[in-house]
Amino acid sequence: KNEVEQSPQNLTAQEGEFITINCSYSVGISALHWLQQHPGGGIVSLFMLSSGKKKHGRLIATINIQEKHSSLHITASHPRDSAVYICAARYSGGGADGLTFGKGTHLIIQP
Amino acid sequence: EPEVTQTPSHQVTQMGQEVILRCVPISNHLYFYWYRQILGQKVEFLVSFYNNEISEKSEIFDDQFSVERPDGSNFTLKIRSTKLEDSAMYFCASSMSLAETQYFGPGTRLLVL
Repeated sequence: KNEVEQSPQNLTAQEGEFITINCSYSVGISALHWLQQHPGGGIVSLFMLSSGKKKHGRLIATINIQEKHSSLHITASHPRDSAVYICAARYSGGGADGLTFGKGTHLIIQP
Repeated sequence: EPEVTQTPSHQVTQMGQEVILRCVPISNHLYFYWYRQILGQKVEFLVSFYNNEISEKSEIFDDQFSVERPDGSNFTLKIRSTKLEDSAMYFCASSMSLAETQYFGPGTRLLVL
């Protein structure tokens, strides 16, 4: 069964800290997504990657295909980064249009 | 910047009633999706739609659910006879292709009483 596992489930850190959120998935994905869900519920796509590394501002996403693992890093974290971060995979093969979501990591950055 | 919109933002209905949730995907996108998130749980895929027909559906998307693109801009999700367990946030998303980023709408919070 296609699964996406995230850790940690909850993370509280101080402003300025370097944050890492981890995601592991089953074999056979075509792409890995990182999304951010705000307290009001809205979902924003942060990254889509299938190999290597992507960077946008203070956010960095990496993926290791051999280890079936991806990480989302936040440098110089800020209270406005507080949100739920979700890893989601699109599995390749027939009948795999939709994303399979992890449970999310609830991040709180304290000032 | 183009965005996916959804209406209504909140809907309260009685069990057994029909509801229609509406979405306007980004105009040049070709793939459309519905997802749901029950309170406190992870987001789940319901259905994808391409070229005016369902491309894929999950086990959740049973005969009570249907989707339609009635007029070339709107994309709707209908629940024929709502159950208490249909209470959830429903998200619409769209993308140019399966290989590209999916853009999510703000969601419709459905409460079935």
